[in-house]
Amino acid sequence: DAGVTQSPTHLIKTRGQHVTLRCSPISGHKSVSWYQQVLGQGPQFIFQYYEKEERGRGNFPDRFSARQFPNYSSELNVNALLLGDSALYLCASSLRRDRGLAHQFFGPGTRLTVL
Amino acid sequence: KNEVEQSPQNLTAQEGEFITINCSYSVGISALHWLQQHPGGGIVSLFMLSSGKKKHGRLIATINIQEKHSSLHITASHPRDSAVYICAVGETSGSRLTFGEGTQLTVNP
Repeated sequence: DAGVTQSPTHLIKTRGQHVTLRCSPISGHKSVSWYQQVLGQGPQFIFQYYEKEERGRGNFPDRFSARQFPNYSSELNVNALLLGDSALYLCASSLRRDRGLAHQFFGPGTRLTVL
Repeated sequence: KNEVEQSPQNLTAQEGEFITINCSYSVGISALHWLQQHPGGGIVSLFMLSSGKKKHGRLIATINIQEKHSSLHITASHPRDSAVYICAVGETSGSRLTFGEGTQLTVNP
């Protein structure tokens, strides 16, 4: 069985541009969560989607948005990129809606660099 | 003060040593997770626990709910254990998952 996949693996953008990151969960997993990890820090929660509905949102500006498709894959969109958006973006899938009580399976991440 | 604090931030050991990484948290939790992150970014879930102790191979995780503290132990450490170890807590309110900043472990041969 394939694990969580993310695309692209690396991305370079300039300030003001927008970016779309993609995630495919493990087959059968209906929950997808997005995290931002700045170098040297732990991941920060951005969004969770479960059964195609937003179930949680972290402390991120409205420039960040996401959606989940009928096949449970997900996209994270970031508009008006800032230098501070440079980070590793991680996607995690799980069987359960409750992130705290579910094993999270992480993808390899997308490394975003904003110049 | 962060809701999840890990110590030490960095740890260097010789192969074969017994290693302990600590995690303290300040919120009510439903479960605590220990994760391993290798260079390049991939994260693997090692343990999820809400009480007592779990063991998997050379790894042991313990949690004391009353003291809001957990430890990850590695017995007979090996260079391949070199990675960042991250503690994360699932809060009882809102099921948010909050991460510590990680402990960089380097095991030298």
